[in-house]
Amino acid sequence: AQSVAQPEDQVNVAEGNPLTVKCTYSVSGNPYLFWYVQYPNRGLQFLLKYITGDNLVKGSYGFEAEFNKSQTSFHLKKPSALVSDSALYFCAVSLYSSASKIIFGSGTRLSIRP
Amino acid sequence: GAVVSQHPSRVICKSGTSVKIECRSLDFQATTMFWYRQFPKKSLMLMATSNEGSKATYEQGVEKDKFLINHASLTLSTLTVTSAHPEDSSFYICSATSGRDNEQFFGPGTRLTVL
Repeated sequence: AQSVAQPEDQVNVAEGNPLTVKCTYSVSGNPYLFWYVQYPNRGLQFLLKYITGDNLVKGSYGFEAEFNKSQTSFHLKKPSALVSDSALYFCAVSLYSSASKIIFGSGTRLSIRP
Repeated sequence: GAVVSQHPSRVICKSGTSVKIECRSLDFQATTMFWYRQFPKKSLMLMATSNEGSKATYEQGVEKDKFLINHASLTLSTLTVTSAHPEDSSFYICSATSGRDNEQFFGPGTRLTVL
């Protein structure tokens, strides 16, 4: 069975500092990996995805994620955090395609202090 | 990107009543729609997958008679929570896709409160 783990419930970073939100996955095949962001009482916004190719994926709002097959990780990163980045971030995996059912991680709350 | 809407955004109902939530793809035809449930400070749990014109596929543990899903057209899927109880209170989110290799787009969610 496929699964996604986000080991940190909360990540606190000072504005201007780099940030990393961790994600590891477990699937039996080649995964489609995603990052989504959720603001309070809102639906999910797509940040980026990895299907194949370059291990470093660039996404919206200056975020990027690095796919590491040997470590089965897909950590989300940003070189310089903004206060407006404060939100709930979900890592997710789909086994077959972007249009297949998506399994979400437990979420990591990112808090950026001024 | 494509837009998915949900209606209503918030609903409060009495225990025992039924509530219908609509999910619409506004500028594309959604061959598949997904319904998720999110508990406070928790992740999204997939409830069911809905394909236009066919019966929904429910995830294990989801009561199909309680959560009725209808995908009658390529732009509309509905989730009806029947005989709602306080434990059904949650944030319900739908997503829609237009094809196998296409993105899923998520609706803004519906907050259901059952008194």
